[in-house]
Amino acid sequence: GESVGLHLPTLSVQEGDNSIINCAYSNSASDYFIWYKQESGKGPQFIIDIRSNMDKRQGQRVTVLLNKTVKHLSLQIAATQPGDSAVYFCAETSYSVSTGKLIFGQGTTLQVKP
Amino acid sequence: DSGVTQTPKHLITATGQRVTLRCSPRSGDLSVYWYQQSLDQGLQFLIQYYNGEERAKGNILERFSAQQFPDLHSELNLSSLELGDSALYFCASSVGGQGQPQHFGDGTRLSIL
Repeated sequence: GESVGLHLPTLSVQEGDNSIINCAYSNSASDYFIWYKQESGKGPQFIIDIRSNMDKRQGQRVTVLLNKTVKHLSLQIAATQPGDSAVYFCAETSYSVSTGKLIFGQGTTLQVKP
Repeated sequence: DSGVTQTPKHLITATGQRVTLRCSPRSGDLSVYWYQQSLDQGLQFLIQYYNGEERAKGNILERFSAQQFPDLHSELNLSSLELGDSALYFCASSVGGQGQPQHFGDGTRLSIL
């Protein structure tokens, strides 16, 4: 039969603007979250992580916000550049289980217009 | 460069065959994870090893098996291959067994003809 690919949401932004990518996570017991960037032909690349005892964490040009009440994560990219174009995934896991298994979201495609 | 090395980059084979995918983790990392990325299922966890021992199993078929060797490299064995096994297979590694960043290799693209 015909296979149907995942329909990834797409965010299109102008170069230099700020980008906000959102993610709803599934497990209220999850307490560690990671954002990954995946470029075509490459594996997921670690961007930033956050633990559940924090609401916000900043890196270089990126900020992750965590709202545990509504199980929501966001990744903010400042001054978006063409090199930021990629698929972005959030991933969740839990300290309370003896495994590092990550559960990935479906991903968001970020397109940066020059 | 994540420091995780996967070989081969591409594999083309036929239904019913068996293949082995290899992964070398980052220096110092004790955990190795295998994930499958397909168009219709996204990134799915298959299995985790920590310091040579199986730590967790996910959506891994019985036709698939893995192991981690004393030098910490890992192999994923896929047998009786079916068309639906065509996917990208990623290996990731982390220092510990949980709650730490996982760093991914660039994957093996498996195509079943």
